[in-house]
Amino acid sequence: QVQLVESGGGLVTPGGSLRLSCAASGFTFKDYYMSWIRQAPGQGLEWIAYIRGSGSYINYADSVKGRFTISRDNAKNTLFLQMNSLRVEDTALYYCARNKPFDSWGQGTLVTVSS
Amino acid sequence: VLAQSPGTLSLSPGERATLSCRASQSVSSSDLAWYQQKPGQAPRLLIYAASTRATGIPDRFSGSGSATDFTLTISRLEPEDFAVYYCQQSGRTSWTFGQGTKVEIK
Repeated sequence: QVQLVESGGGLVTPGGSLRLSCAASGFTFKDYYMSWIRQAPGQGLEWIAYIRGSGSYINYADSVKGRFTISRDNAKNTLFLQMNSLRVEDTALYYCARNKPFDSWGQGTLVTVSS
Repeated sequence: VLAQSPGTLSLSPGERATLSCRASQSVSSSDLAWYQQKPGQAPRLLIYAASTRATGIPDRFSGSGSATDFTLTISRLEPEDFAVYYCQQSGRTSWTFGQGTKVEIK
């Protein structure tokens, strides 16, 4: 069955960096769009980035453009999110999700940006 | 921008729920989806392409609409249906979610 497992979250100070990973299994990873979506505490969902299966096309939400980088390693079935210049408002549970629309989700990894 | 209404819907089990999602610009029906999220859980895909139920979704859930106005209908609320519902569009560039509608027990 499809499984997505995020990791790499934690506490970081404003201006810091963090790299999230999403390990995928149970499907042919290279054939699918993958996305990162976040949810601030008590708030709604915010899509932040997607990458096509081949990695040939990437798009970002304006809120993270220039600070976050999405990438993937199809040989290792892993999705990444490099987050730089983190802000307090980036505090959220970060989900990875498969496909367009998002038909499978991980359980999320919590990122807390605080001094 | 996707605007969902109402923000909260207070209903009893067995009642019909009608949730609205209005887009600021026309959205292709093929790009409109609905998700359900329960507390402490990841969202779950309910409806895609505006009206197609995802795998395993009961037929009491239905989606309709086109262009700028979309609707999610739950024909008879079951106890497990009380949750937050989000619409989402995946157009050509930026993808967005609505702010959500909470369906709570009256």
